[in-house]
Amino acid sequence: GQNIDQPTEMTATEGAIVQINCTYQTSGFNGLFWYQQHAGEAPTFLSYNVLDGLEEKGRFSSFLSRSKGYSYLLLKELQMKDSASYLCAVMDSNYQLIWGAGTKLIIKP
Amino acid sequence: IAGITQAPTSQILAAGRRMTLRCTQDMRHNAMYWYRQDLGLGLRLIHYSNTAGTTGKGEVPDGYSVSRANTDDFPLTLASAVPSQTSVYFCASSDQLDGTDTQYFGPGTRLTVL
Repeated sequence: GQNIDQPTEMTATEGAIVQINCTYQTSGFNGLFWYQQHAGEAPTFLSYNVLDGLEEKGRFSSFLSRSKGYSYLLLKELQMKDSASYLCAVMDSNYQLIWGAGTKLIIKP
Repeated sequence: IAGITQAPTSQILAAGRRMTLRCTQDMRHNAMYWYRQDLGLGLRLIHYSNTAGTTGKGEVPDGYSVSRANTDDFPLTLASAVPSQTSVYFCASSDQLDGTDTQYFGPGTRLTVL
């Protein structure tokens, strides 16, 4: 079966750095996505990786290793507004997104 | 409209009733999707459409139907609602020719079936 694993919850301090990991086992791979979802709101797109390596976008970076079935989302200079759930999703061989359950990130002052 | 809209925002429904959730996008995306999101679970695909006139079944299609008469609209119908269909429903769309097929989401419909 297909599976996406990410931690259920993480806590970090305002101004710090946090890394959210995602491991996956899917039938085929056509890209990995990270989304942010604030409570009661819709998921919003953060990043896309299809090749190995690091993609940087402001305070957020996303890394992919296809051989290890592994990705992480790195958030720097954490702000209170970064408190949200972060969803990892992989596009499989049928071009359908397989979603992880999400990581709830709690930022403390 | 800018982006993707859903209606209603929330609804309480008696079991056995028929309900249609509406979804409209103005981005001219070819593909549209319906997901449900339940606590502790990832988003689960109900139905999708890669182009107007075609639809496909996702991971959890039972009890739901969709239609895609044109590019912009993708309604989801619950023919006879059951309590297990209590969930938050998200509609999404994507341009499958943009190189990434990134999905963009509507604001969601919170449905409670009693």
